[in-house]
Parts: sequence; C-alpha cells; structure tokens
Amino acid sequence: EAGVVQSPRYKIIEKKQPVAFWCNPISGHNTLYWYLQNLGQGPELLIRYENEEAVDDSQLPKDRFSAERLKGVDSTLKIQPAELGDSAVYLCASSLAGSETQYFGPGTRLLVL
Amino acid sequence: AQSVTQLDSHVSVSEGTPVLLRCNYSSSYSPSLFWYVQHPNKGLQLLLKYTSAATLVKGINGFEAEFKKSETSFHLTKPSAHMSDAAEYFCVVKAARQLTFGSGTQLTVLP
Repeated sequence: EAGVVQSPRYKIIEKKQPVAFWCNPISGHNTLYWYLQNLGQGPELLIRYENEEAVDDSQLPKDRFSAERLKGVDSTLKIQPAELGDSAVYLCASSLAGSETQYFGPGTRLLVL
Repeated sequence: AQSVTQLDSHVSVSEGTPVLLRCNYSSSYSPSLFWYVQHPNKGLQLLLKYTSAATLVKGINGFEAEFKKSETSFHLTKPSAHMSDAAEYFCVVKAARQLTFGSGTQLTVLP
C-alpha cells in the first residue's frame, strides 16, 4: 500500500515569491492534515480536512497561506508571498475517519532566501 | 489545553544498552498518547499508542512505554539499543482530534 505522497521534496525560492505544496493521502483516508515543522521542533497543525471541508484551520496564517482539497482526495497548500520565516518542513498526514492514527508523508523542505 | 514536555533534547547511548526517553504530559481529559519516530528524510512513523487500555504499551521495533497517571508520564524504553534506532523521537498527546507534539528527543546510538 502506498503511503502519503508529497511533492516537491525540496523547494528553494526567493522571498515574496509564491510556492505550492501537493499532498496525496493514503487511499480511502477521509481526514487530511497539514503540519508545519520548524527546525528542532515538533510539528504544529496548520489545517485539518474532513473530506473536502476544512474543519480546523485556526492555526493557518490566512493572510498568506491557503489550502484546498477540492475533491476530498489530494490537497494543495500555498504560500503567497513567502517570507524568510516560512523556511521549514511542511508535512502532510492522513487518517481514516474516526481513527486516532495519522500517517505522515516525508514532507516538503522549504528554504526561502 | 493539552501539552507534552520531552525532558531531554538529546540522548546518547551505546549499542546494546537500554534506552529511556522521557515525556511528561498535561491534559484536561483522559489523554491518548503516542510516540512517533522520525528518521532523516523520512516521514514520521508511529511507534506505539496509549488509548486508556493497558498502561504498558508495546510498540514496534522492541519499544514500549508505560502510562503513569500519578506521575503524568509516558516514558519510552527499549532494553537494547540498535544502531538503526538513531533518530528523532516525538511524544504526542491527542485531544479534541488534534495532535500536540513535543519538541523531540534526538537519540544517538554509539557503536
């Protein structure tokens, strides 16, 4: 069974540029999460989807971050414009509805210059 | 509100010796607790989870953790470290369908 797929794995951009990350969850997983992981810290939740509905986006900086999961499967996280402080690893995870176990992708490592 | 505190940011052990990674939690409710491991350039992998059943939880790769409510602790142990155990370990508490991660403990295994 394929795990959570994320792309790109690495991204280097200049500040003020836009950037987008893509996530394909495990087949059949209704719940999808985006996390931010700063260096030397644990992941922090940005947004959680139940199917195509964002049910928890309280930690998403909405002035520059946006996310979508149009068909309830793949999801895209966008930053526009990127700032130096956005350099981090962006993790995607998925789980079956009602399950406590989340499965994580390898992450996208973003460097903003 | 829930939180976890990992008491050591780095732990170094020799191969074949026991591993102890310490975690204390704070939760308003009866918590669900997890340990995840993160190897370089790989996704977080679930080691084990506690969900109010047995207080001693066995996980993958020989790891186990004991839930101690009186001490609000959920320490991770392994009797004998292997070189492949070198990674970062995260203690996690779950409440209201949200995971809160600790800051991580980097485990180094010396030959």
